[in-house]
Amino acid sequence: DAKTTQPPSMDCAEGRAANLPCNHSTISGNEYVYWYRQIHSQGPQYIIHGLKNNETNEMASLIITEDRKSSTLILPHATLRDTAVYYCIVRVNDYKLSFGAGTTVTVRA
Amino acid sequence: DAGVIQSPRHEVTEMGQEVTLRCKPISGHDYLFWYRQTMMRGLELLIYFNNNVPIDDSGMPEDRFSAKMPNASFSTLKIQPSEPRDSAVYFCASRKRGGRTDTQYFGPGTRLTVL
Repeated sequence: DAKTTQPPSMDCAEGRAANLPCNHSTISGNEYVYWYRQIHSQGPQYIIHGLKNNETNEMASLIITEDRKSSTLILPHATLRDTAVYYCIVRVNDYKLSFGAGTTVTVRA
Repeated sequence: DAGVIQSPRHEVTEMGQEVTLRCKPISGHDYLFWYRQTMMRGLELLIYFNNNVPIDDSGMPEDRFSAKMPNASFSTLKIQPSEPRDSAVYFCASRKRGGRTDTQYFGPGTRLTVL
């Protein structure tokens, strides 16, 4: 599996967009980029995933660079409830997810 | 839909005792996963089932751990005998293959403390 690199932490102002970067320079052509988050004391929650094209759903947008070596998760209007650890995972499928340290995002009022 | 249900939510036991964790996946899901989360090792996959059959148990730490899925709506993770280093939060997740969002849905977890 491709290794991912994420910043350990970041702060974001409530109501502003939060841009979470992820580097995955060794990604293979058939590997997807998955994003999950874990709010304190809860199980991880799926956010979004993509292969090549940018993706958007009701929770977030995923921007993948043309060379696929990095991506950015965008939370368009961060709320206090978005405070969580965000995990970027690269895999062929999500059968064997391997969660790294992730990025701890703190949304401040 | 009630989501993935796990029981108990908290378990405190003494070293050497048998511990059984339970999971009810989302109805209609054909994959079930067991994870363990600790501060030191993060979130690790222990085992997963497809259509009630164990597919990959390479993450099970040792023979003290066993998992079963007797039917599509129930799975157990058993630790016998338990040790203090087994203290962790254990998550169950389920997944339905196919569709746009064929991803894993996690339960609330069982916090296990072995004294």
